[in-house]
Amino acid sequence: DVKVTQSSRYLVKRTGEKVFLECVQDMDHENMFWYRQDPGLGLRLIYFSYDVKMKEKGDIPEGYSVSREKKERFSLILESASTNQTSMYLCASSGQGYEQYFGPGTRLTVT
Amino acid sequence: GQQLNQSPQSMFIQEGEDVSMNCTSSSIFNTWLWYKQEPGEGPVLLIALYKAGELTSNGRLTAQFGITRKDSFLNISASIPSDVGIYFCAGQLRNQGAQKLVFGQGTRLTINP
Repeated sequence: DVKVTQSSRYLVKRTGEKVFLECVQDMDHENMFWYRQDPGLGLRLIYFSYDVKMKEKGDIPEGYSVSREKKERFSLILESASTNQTSMYLCASSGQGYEQYFGPGTRLTVT
Repeated sequence: GQQLNQSPQSMFIQEGEDVSMNCTSSSIFNTWLWYKQEPGEGPVLLIALYKAGELTSNGRLTAQFGITRKDSFLNISASIPSDVGIYFCAGQLRNQGAQKLVFGQGTRLTINP
């Protein structure tokens, strides 16, 4: 089975802090994705990566950056957290096909 | 970005009833996927569809890839309490080069025992 893990299930940070969310997959997948999920807005793609050190902006990249130094690991960085970044963050990975496999999510609260 | 129209947005049913939900779009898709998300968890892949007209089952779940390639349907037969959750459709657009998916807004399923 594909396993995608995320570093934290729940996180509380203060406004202005730098926040790192980490995602690890164990299936040697080329592609990795970061989404945020908000009530009424569905899943929105923040960034994705199709190879080590490669990244592309998704639909809502503002305020976020990403890092992929190893194939299995994809990090989402909030350079200066703001309250409007309070959300559920979901990481996913996919291989040759289009099926994406999701991690359990990180619920981030910025106060 | 591109959105899928998923309906209904929510359903309240009795245990044992059958459930139907669908996703439609004005665009053509090459792949349709159906996910289920339980509270506080990430979405879990239920069914993947790859060809127009394809009908695929996974236990009590059956999904179909519409003939026009612009829609997909998910049916759940004889619902049970553990079917509760949010069901999402997702599609891969025909002209989308990258591995990105487009997601529906979800159908929230509530079951009265």
